[in-house]
Amino acid sequence: DTAVSQTPKYLVTQMGNDKSIKCEQNLGHDTMYWYKQDSKKFLKIMFSYNNKELIINETVPNRFSPKSPDKAHLNLHINSLELGDSAVYFCASSQARGQPQHFGDGTRLSIL
Amino acid sequence: QKEVEQNSGPLSVPEGAIASLNCTYSDRGSQSFFWYRQYSGKSPELIMSIYSNGDKEDGRFTAQLNKASQYVSLLIRDSQPSDSATYLCAAEHGSSNTGKLIFGQGTTLQVKP
Repeated sequence: DTAVSQTPKYLVTQMGNDKSIKCEQNLGHDTMYWYKQDSKKFLKIMFSYNNKELIINETVPNRFSPKSPDKAHLNLHINSLELGDSAVYFCASSQARGQPQHFGDGTRLSIL
Repeated sequence: QKEVEQNSGPLSVPEGAIASLNCTYSDRGSQSFFWYRQYSGKSPELIMSIYSNGDKEDGRFTAQLNKASQYVSLLIRDSQPSDSATYLCAAEHGSSNTGKLIFGQGTTLQVKP
């Protein structure tokens, strides 16, 4: 069983489109995260939810909106996609804040 | 100054040698530190976590933490070609209590057979 699963694995779309990435964890963790890894492989936190409450909201464009319907799911919706949004987006979860984080396989987003 | 700094490498070691990966951090309030391994095209995989000063060993891996010097290291004994990957150091943001991790840019390790 995959512990942290993301869909889709690949997303190729055109500039200006709206897209969503879904994440689910079956580890029973309370905290979930979204990261962006750019072309230079630098991994940066975007958002985090703890038990459905938003606790980290980094300086990202407001075209990015996370949603957590329950503590096992964290989705990321992106409006009006831009070329600079091309990256790999990773979902992660941890048992609690400060505990080790476990990453999903990532979603590779390519903007044409 | 970057918050978490690593030498990007590549660090090249022969098979069977000890690989030493280093990381410095700027936030004195950081209490939790993690090492992740990332193969090309794959997701980061947790190798070690360390929370207190000193050494922590797990199999061929030893993490070392020195909070006074704001320094974390990872030693890999008996390096294998399968250890060739990028190693990411991460420190928890000290004052936020949110679990926010700050990652270094990663060190690429090459283990030559």
